[in-house]
Formats: sequence, structure tokens, C-alpha cells
Amino acid sequence: KQEVTQIPAALSVPEGENLVLNCSFTDSAIYNLQWFRQDPGKGLTSLLLIQSSQREQTSGRLNASLDKSSGRSTLYIAASQPGDSATYLCAGSRNYGQNFVFGPGTRLSVLP
Amino acid sequence: EAQVTQNPRYLITVTGKKLTVTCSQNMNHEYMSWYRQDPGLGLRQIYYSMNVEVTDKGDVPEGYKVSRKEKRNFPLILESPSPNQTSLYFCASSLGAGELFFGEGSRLTVL
Repeated sequence: KQEVTQIPAALSVPEGENLVLNCSFTDSAIYNLQWFRQDPGKGLTSLLLIQSSQREQTSGRLNASLDKSSGRSTLYIAASQPGDSATYLCAGSRNYGQNFVFGPGTRLSVLP
Repeated sequence: EAQVTQNPRYLITVTGKKLTVTCSQNMNHEYMSWYRQDPGLGLRQIYYSMNVEVTDKGDVPEGYKVSRKEKRNFPLILESPSPNQTSLYFCASSLGAGELFFGEGSRLTVL
């Protein structure tokens, strides 16, 4: 059974810092990988999608990479801002059927 | 505006009283799914649907039913709710293997 770990569980940084969030899958056979952001009491917002033929995606200050040989993904956030404070979740699908398995999330606080 | 709409957003009910949480998307997505989110357990998939009349169990399907009679709608049915189904529920949809879009969530309390 696929299990997902996210490290760290929580992170507090001053504004302006660059930071890295980590995600690890017990089964490295990942078809698609997505990173999401969740604000308290809200739904999930997709940040980046790495599809089966890709290894990396970038959007603004965010960059996500996936190492399929190890089943590990990282989310890099450059020049963090207080508005980045949220919980970040990674999710991987086992196949084209989109049966995603989610990690527990990293709770990020960016202090002004 | 592209969106996934869930109703109700908040519901308090009693054990055994049948309820339905509706989910509708306006993006012509063929894939839809339901998740529940619980503290310490994260997001877990309940059921998913690859297209109209095609549904399959996720990781925690017990106590739930779904149907997919129309492409845009994917209701979640709790025939006889129990307190352990108190949770935050999310509906999601996507086009093929693309980006997952989530609804705002439905917070259900079963007394």
C-alpha cells in the first residue's frame, strides 16, 4: 500500500527566506504528482502538476521536482512571503486512473 | 468561472438519518472523486468515477455510496450515518490525468 511522508511536518521562517518542502512515497511507481496548498477551513488549490513524462514544473516563485527512481519530490519556494503561510500537501497517483494518495502535509508559517 | 460546487457546506445530523452531499463541476471533467479529511489521518479517497456510470472504491468506501448518472454530478450518499463519519468531505474533478480541482469542502457532524 502506498504511503506518503512529508518533512518537515511544520516550518516557521522569516519573510524572504528560500525554503524546501519534501515528499516521499514508499512505492516509487508514481504516474502523476501534484502539490497543493490548503488554507485553514478551505479546499485544496493545485499549485503544480508533474505529469508522467515530466520531472519538474515551475510557476512563479514555486518549483517542484520529482525523482521517480527514489519516489521523492521537493517543492522549492523562493523569497517566501507571509501570504505563503498555509499547509502544503503532495499527492501521487498510481496510474492514469487518478487514484491519488495524499501526504499529511507541511504546515508553513512565514513571519513578517 | 470553472469550479467544483459542494452542498451543503455544513451539516449536523443524527445517527441513521440518510443524507446526500451533492457535487457538481462545470468543466466537463470525466474524472470525479470524493475524499474525507480527518486530523492525523490526512486526506483519504472514498470513491472515484472515471466517467458516467463508471465508479470504483477508494481506500475508505465503507458506509458510503455514490452514483454518476450525469457527467457533471457525483453525489455522495450516506445511507445510515454514524458518528465515525463525522469529517470534512471534499469533492474533486479533473480532465484525464490533469490537474485536480477541489470543492470548498462539506463539514459533516453526525451526533
